Amino acid sequence: AQKVTQAQTEISVVEKEDVTLDCVYETRDTTYYLFWYKQPPSGELVFLIRRNSFDEQNEISGRYSWNFQKSTSSFNFTITASQVVDSAVYFCALRSSNTGKLIFGQGTTLQVKP
Amino acid sequence: DVKVTQSSRYLVKRTGEKVFLECVQDMDHENMFWYRQDPGLGLRLIYFSYDVKMKEKGDIPEGYSVSREKKERFSLILESASTNQTSMYLCASRIGGDADTQYFGPGTRLTVL
Repeated sequence: AQKVTQAQTEISVVEKEDVTLDCVYETRDTTYYLFWYKQPPSGELVFLIRRNSFDEQNEISGRYSWNFQKSTSSFNFTITASQVVDSAVYFCALRSSNTGKLIFGQGTTLQVKP
Repeated sequence: DVKVTQSSRYLVKRTGEKVFLECVQDMDHENMFWYRQDPGLGLRLIYFSYDVKMKEKGDIPEGYSVSREKKERFSLILESASTNQTSMYLCASRIGGDADTQYFGPGTRLTVL
């Protein structure tokens, strides 16, 4: 079975703190894709990053960075120097190349206080 | 930029009513999806469509049906709305192919009284 677990339901930090959102996945597929989406209060899910299972390189995009580790089946997301505008619900998702379906985690609500 | 629009941001209906949720995408995407989002459960797939007039059940299709008569439009239908269908409904589309990303609409928050 495929599953995505985001164990942190809610995280609250003060602006400028670094914060890491955890994502652990389960799959038996050898080829799969991992995603992170951001859902601000407006409701629309915004695509942040896609990673395939053969590319374990970490990625940095501005204040955002992602750590993909197949050995621990984790795809964690770090925001450096958080800002109030980072407040949102963040979803990690897994897409199997076999089924084509996107499986979402439960989401982590991040609150960044000024 | 990909644009996925949904017909309503907020909708209030009564138990037993037939409800139509419309989704339109403007990027000629092959695949379209309907999800519902509930607190603590993340997003769950209701139905998806790979092409016009094609549909497949997702993980929670009971109580829903869909229609895809045109490539750009994917409708979710609640034949007889019930209170347990009160939720946020999100539509998504993607071009197709293995790695491709799904792009989401703004969501419709449906309340069934």
